[in-house]
Amino acid sequence: DTGVSQDPRHKITKRGQNVTFRCDPISEHNRLYWYRQTLGQGPEFLTYFQNEAQLEKSRLLSDRFSAERPKGSFSTLEIQRTEQGDSAMYLCASSLAAQPPGVGEAFFGQGTRLTVV
Amino acid sequence: QKEVEQDPGPLSVPEGAIVSLNCTYSNSAFQYFMWYRQYSRKGPELLMYTYSSGNKEDGRFTAQVDKSSKYISLFIRDSQPSDSATYLCAMSEGQLTFGSGTQLTVLP
Repeated sequence: DTGVSQDPRHKITKRGQNVTFRCDPISEHNRLYWYRQTLGQGPEFLTYFQNEAQLEKSRLLSDRFSAERPKGSFSTLEIQRTEQGDSAMYLCASSLAAQPPGVGEAFFGQGTRLTVV
Repeated sequence: QKEVEQDPGPLSVPEGAIVSLNCTYSNSAFQYFMWYRQYSRKGPELLMYTYSSGNKEDGRFTAQVDKSSKYISLFIRDSQPSDSATYLCAMSEGQLTFGSGTQLTVLP
């Protein structure tokens, strides 16, 4: 296992189209996170899963965004009816749930860069 | 006020200098503290990971956490041009909260 893998690396789409991104975490990691990063900013939390359960969603995650992790392994993030403001780098990370409760070492993928034209 | 504050820089230093990067935070529930390095158009790469107050050293990098002051630091000794990147602090209670990143340039 070489780390967190994201696909595609780049996506250009027209406004109003739907897009779906995939993340394959490090195999033994039970937590999976999605973040969004715009230029000059740190990553902003979108949502995270522990195994297949989606435990938390940010207020940033509008109704047009949906994420799944059906078998507790890979995850998908779908954006419906894309808008120009959705243009960003979408990052996935994975970790082992830690004791005390919190994030253990979290490793990121290379991200999917979305451009909405 | 953001939960995590980080001076965005940019910071420019000569090769061999000691670099100090800092973050402050407001949420006392944060328990894990991380520093990531991010090169342009790449995902963040985990550099250092600490739990609780104190120092942790890894080669040229030292991470320092002061929970009483809600202040964390990353020191880079003998900085190299290859250290030029954006450095992000992150901290967690259930998910990671990031600073905005400090852009560092080490000049040869």
